[in-house]
Amino acid sequence: NAGVTQTPKFRILKIGQSMTLQCTQDMNHNYMYWYRQDPGMGLKLIYYSVGAGITDKGEVPNGYNVSRSTTEDFPLRLELAAPSQTSVYFCASSYQRYEQFFGPGTRLTVL
Amino acid sequence: EDQVTQSPEALRLQEGESSSLNCSYTVSGLRGLFWYRQDPGKGPEFLFTLYSAGEEKEKERLKATLTKKESFLHITAPKPEDSATYLCAVQAETSGSRLTFGEGTQLTVNP
Repeated sequence: NAGVTQTPKFRILKIGQSMTLQCTQDMNHNYMYWYRQDPGMGLKLIYYSVGAGITDKGEVPNGYNVSRSTTEDFPLRLELAAPSQTSVYFCASSYQRYEQFFGPGTRLTVL
Repeated sequence: EDQVTQSPEALRLQEGESSSLNCSYTVSGLRGLFWYRQDPGKGPEFLFTLYSAGEEKEKERLKATLTKKESFLHITAPKPEDSATYLCAVQAETSGSRLTFGEGTQLTVNP
């Protein structure tokens, strides 16, 4: 099993551009999550999903959108990128409320 | 609001010098407390879940313990390969599968 995979690994955006961060898991987990991690800080939940077609906001959802059309995929959309969105983004998945398994992350810089 | 405080922020040890990391939490009904290890440039790696006060779990040189207000991660005779950031997270009974993370303790073990 590959576990949780994320693409791209790195990306530089200009202010106002848009992009989609991809996340795929092959563990048949029903729950998936998006976090951001700023330097020296803990992980902050952006959005999460408890199953295909079901998404909900986390702690810091502004400026982001998500969709969940399949069990495996949970893309994160950034519209009108801003410097405040410079961060490392982690996708995770879990079986129900048990431990979450994380992907390798996407390092995003907005200039 | 759920809160997690980890101390110290950073810890330097000599190889073989045992120590403990602290995770203090405030949560309205704890369902589970999770410990993760994070290496630079990588996603968090799951270590332990603790569910009730008095519970202990061990893995190699690591032992996690839980009380009603805090958790400790004991590191016995650490090696340089134990160097990483250790993250603590809590899951409340009322928060579904969502986790609240602390800011982490950066551990460096010198040979």
